[in-house]
Amino acid sequence: EIVLTQSPTTMAASPGEKVTLTCRASSSVSYMHWYQQRSGTSPKLWIYETSKLASGVPNRFSGSGSGTSYSLTINSMETEDAATYYCQQGSSYPWTFGGGTKLELK
Amino acid sequence: EVQLVESGGGLVQPGRSLKLSCAASGFTFSNYYMAWVRQAPKKGLEWVATISTSGSRTYYPDSVKGRFTISRDNAKSSLYLQMNSLKSEDTATYYCARRGGYGGYFDYWGQGVMVTVSS
Repeated sequence: EIVLTQSPTTMAASPGEKVTLTCRASSSVSYMHWYQQRSGTSPKLWIYETSKLASGVPNRFSGSGSGTSYSLTINSMETEDAATYYCQQGSSYPWTFGGGTKLELK
Repeated sequence: EVQLVESGGGLVQPGRSLKLSCAASGFTFSNYYMAWVRQAPKKGLEWVATISTSGSRTYYPDSVKGRFTISRDNAKSSLYLQMNSLKSEDTATYYCARRGGYGGYFDYWGQGVMVTVSS
């Protein structure tokens, strides 16, 4: 099983600040996918296949990485970006998720 | 508009069974792999099962293998999850999700249905 470790677990950012969330895999994966989940709602696909933005995702978001190290970056934090972000790999079964990073507004 | 609507959740005693359903609309259901993902209260996401377009191939993590069965009815655009021998650790919100592409991601999610396993 491929274990995904996200860091940090929790962080706070000010409006306008650049934010980087990381996801490390215990073995190499072909792609990483990211989901945003706001409190009390279903997860939403946010970034897929490492760097492609899902429909409606603002272009201040970007994704990058390869092998065992991946990241999600917010170029300039906005209020609406406060949420929990999960990474996920679908390269090999069992598909696995990271533990999540809770991003709060400072 | 893609819609996934789960039903069938509730309170069930340990060791008993429960069957979840997911009604899909807004896309050609038979063209997509489908899946179930769960989230225990205040916890992260856990993939539970995936089924191929025809239903001939199914995949599970060890945590539910042998107890849960995913199935589908393409004529009814419906997805199911039969859960047997339920344990307290199966308590979670269960989401129906559509697999978006060959990269193994979930591009649409339902609103979720709560399953509580308790005596």
